[in-house]
Amino acid sequence: NAGVTQTPKFQVLKTGQSMTLQCAQDMNHNSMYWYRQDPGMGLRLIYYSASEGTTDKGEVPNGYNVSRLNKREFSLRLESAAPSQTSVYFCASIRGGSEAFFGQGTRLTVV
Amino acid sequence: DAKTTQPPSMDCAEGRAANLPCNHSTISGNEYVYWYRQIHSQGPQYIIHGLKNNETNEMASLIITEDRKSSTLILPHATLRDTAVYYCIVGSPGTYKYIFGTGTRLKVLA
Repeated sequence: NAGVTQTPKFQVLKTGQSMTLQCAQDMNHNSMYWYRQDPGMGLRLIYYSASEGTTDKGEVPNGYNVSRLNKREFSLRLESAAPSQTSVYFCASIRGGSEAFFGQGTRLTVV
Repeated sequence: DAKTTQPPSMDCAEGRAANLPCNHSTISGNEYVYWYRQIHSQGPQYIIHGLKNNETNEMASLIITEDRKSSTLILPHATLRDTAVYYCIVGSPGTYKYIFGTGTRLKVLA
């Protein structure tokens, strides 16, 4: 099992560019999450999807959109990247209120 | 959403027990307490969770007070590889919203 796979692992964007971060899980989990982690800080919840077909805002949703494409995939889109969005982005999936499994992160730099 | 409060940092001697406290005084009746750790910049790793009873697994023990307003994660014999940031979060399967705090940076000293 691959678990939670995030692509790309690294990305550099120019201000104003757009991109989509991809996340896929092969554990048949219903719930999926996107977090961001700024240097020296904890994780902050951007968006989550409790189940296929639903998405909800987390703590810091501004500047982002998400799509729960199917049960496996949950993507995060930056429509117009800003330097303040430079961060490490983590995707996670959760097995019914039990443990969360995290991907290895996407390191995004916006210049 | 329930919030958690953790000390920003702690040290522990190798081989000794590491006791990491967490305050969650606003926890509601159906919310669980979860513990994760993050080593360097890797994705967080699940450790343990519980509702109101004490829990133990191969990694750690979780002690939850009777009023559920605080808990302690115990690493019984800390090793250098346990050096990490430890996060205590509360959440409910019904709400799905899992909010991380700032965590405790544990340093295990040789």
